Amino acid sequence: ILNVEQSPQSLHVQEGDSTNFTCSFPSSNFYALHWYRWETAKSPEALFVMTLNGDEKKKGRISATLNTKEGYSYLYIKGSQPEDSATYLCAFSGAGSYQLTFGKGTKLSVIP
Amino acid sequence: NAGVTQTPKFQVLKTGQSMTLQCAQDMNHNSMYWYRQDPGMGLRLIYYSASEGTTDKGEVPNGYNVSRLNKREFSLRLESAAPSQTSVYFCASSPRTGREDTQYFGPGTRLTVL
Repeated sequence: ILNVEQSPQSLHVQEGDSTNFTCSFPSSNFYALHWYRWETAKSPEALFVMTLNGDEKKKGRISATLNTKEGYSYLYIKGSQPEDSATYLCAFSGAGSYQLTFGKGTKLSVIP
Repeated sequence: NAGVTQTPKFQVLKTGQSMTLQCAQDMNHNSMYWYRQDPGMGLRLIYYSASEGTTDKGEVPNGYNVSRLNKREFSLRLESAAPSQTSVYFCASSPRTGREDTQYFGPGTRLTVL
């Protein structure tokens, strides 16, 4: 069973603050790293898929970076807004399997 | 465009009862998946179907069966429900079973087994 760790488990930030959180995954047999955003009472929605070491992706105020050699990815949110409140999931895909292994998520609460 | 739909939204079963969770997608995707979500755990894959006519076990298949009825529909069956199967079940689909393919999730089914 692959180990995909996300930290912190939860955090509270003030509106306007920038924040970031981490996803750690096995550095061997890497194929792809996915980020999903999951709002309460809704379904997970895809944010990014990254495959190359050094990849950086951006969508509005949200960006992500990838380091496959050391096995981590950072998700950054610039100028957090209350609508950014959600659980952010990362999922690892290895070269030997078609399955995604999800982390437990980081729950972000943005306080107005 | 409905995306991925799941029925029912909520279900309460008694231990030993059986039921089928239904999932359908209208995006012409080849691959479909069933996950369960438990408190303090990540989404865990139960079964997946890479294409119509094929199914494979995921991380936690015990106690479940699946049927890929056609390209649109993928059902999950609990033959004899147990309290340990109390969970939220999500169906997902993707264009292919590519490791970089985005998965699109349904709204979930909240199942309680008493």
